[in-house]
Formats: sequence, structure tokens, C-alpha cells
Amino acid sequence: AQKVTQAQTEISVVEKEDVTLDCVYETRDTTYYLFWYKQPPSGELVFLIRRNSFDEQNEISGRYSWNFQKSTSSFNFTITASQVVDSAVYFCALREDSSYKLIFGSGTRLLVRP
Amino acid sequence: EPEVTQTPSHQVTQMGQEVILRCVPISNHLYFYWYRQILGQKVEFLVSFYNNEISEKSEIFDDQFSVERPDGSNFTLKIRSTKLEDSAMYFCASTSTELGNQPQHFGDGTRLSIL
Repeated sequence: AQKVTQAQTEISVVEKEDVTLDCVYETRDTTYYLFWYKQPPSGELVFLIRRNSFDEQNEISGRYSWNFQKSTSSFNFTITASQVVDSAVYFCALREDSSYKLIFGSGTRLLVRP
Repeated sequence: EPEVTQTPSHQVTQMGQEVILRCVPISNHLYFYWYRQILGQKVEFLVSFYNNEISEKSEIFDDQFSVERPDGSNFTLKIRSTKLEDSAMYFCASTSTELGNQPQHFGDGTRLSIL
């Protein structure tokens, strides 16, 4: 069965620290897609990054980077030099190629303190 | 940047009443989705819709729920007889294709409160 686990319920850091959010997924599909979404206090869901199961490279985009490890079924997300505006709930999500639905993890609440 | 828009932002309804949540997807998008998020919980898939048909639905999406694209721009979710447990934030999303690597773009949500 497909599943997304975000073991960290809440993380608190001081501004300018780097922070990594963990995500572990389960799927039987060989082709799948992974996403990170941000939900700020205002409540909307904002797409941040995506990864295809067949992409080998990890990437950096500005202050965001992600580490996709197929061998451990993990898709971790790092914010470098965190800012107060990064405070939000972050959701990892999985979409299998055989389905239209996004399967979300339970989210990690990130608090960045000044 | 094009956006998914949802109205109303907050809907308060008496238990047992019908409610319609409205969404305007991004204009060239063809695939539409509804999700819900009970307060403090994860986001859950309800239904996906393409070409005037439901393409996939979850166990949550029972006979009380229906979706419709009444015209060329709107996409609606109807709950026929609301229950207290329907209180949640409802999100609409859209994509231009069915490809799995397309990120689903979400609206700001409608907070539904059932009294």
C-alpha cells in the first residue's frame, strides 16, 4: 500500500540555521513522483519542488535542496539559512504513475525563531 | 502567475443542509481535483475529474458528494446533506495534463464549518 511518513511533527530552529525535513515513502509502483508543499499560517498549499523516481540527480534551487535516496525510499528537503518567513507546515506527497491522487504525509511544522 | 481561485473562503452551514463549494481552475488546465484537510490533520484526496467524468475517487467520496463542471470555467463540489464531520478545509487543484510529474496547483481553500 502507498504511504508517506514524516516522522518529525515539529522542528524549531533559530534564523540562519539550516534545517532538513525528512520524508519516507512506500509504493509498489516503479514510476512515481514526489513533491514538497508548504502551508503557511494563512492556510494555502504552495508547491515547492518535485522529483521523478527515475531522476538520479539531487538538486539545489536557491535556498532549497533535496536528497532523493531510492534505496532507502527517502526524499528529504533542506532549507539553507532559514528565515522567519519559512515558518510553516511542510508536506511531502507521493503520486504513483497509476493514479491521479496525491498522497500526503502528516506534515512537519517548522518554526524559525528570530 | 495564473491561480486557482476558490469561493467562498469560509462557509458556515447547518447540519443536514446542502453546500456547494466553487472553484475556478487555471484557465488552460483540464484535470481537476478536490482534497480536504480536517483541522490539524493531513491533506486527503477526494476526487479527480477530467472530460466531465470522475477519473478517480477515494473512500471518503461517498454518495453524499458530487462534482460538476457546470460551464467552461467553474468546477464545483456539492455535499448533499452535511454532517458535523464534514467540517474541514476543502482545496481545489488543477493540472494541464494527466502526467504524474505535473505539480497540482492548489487554491487557497474553503473553510467549511458545520454547526
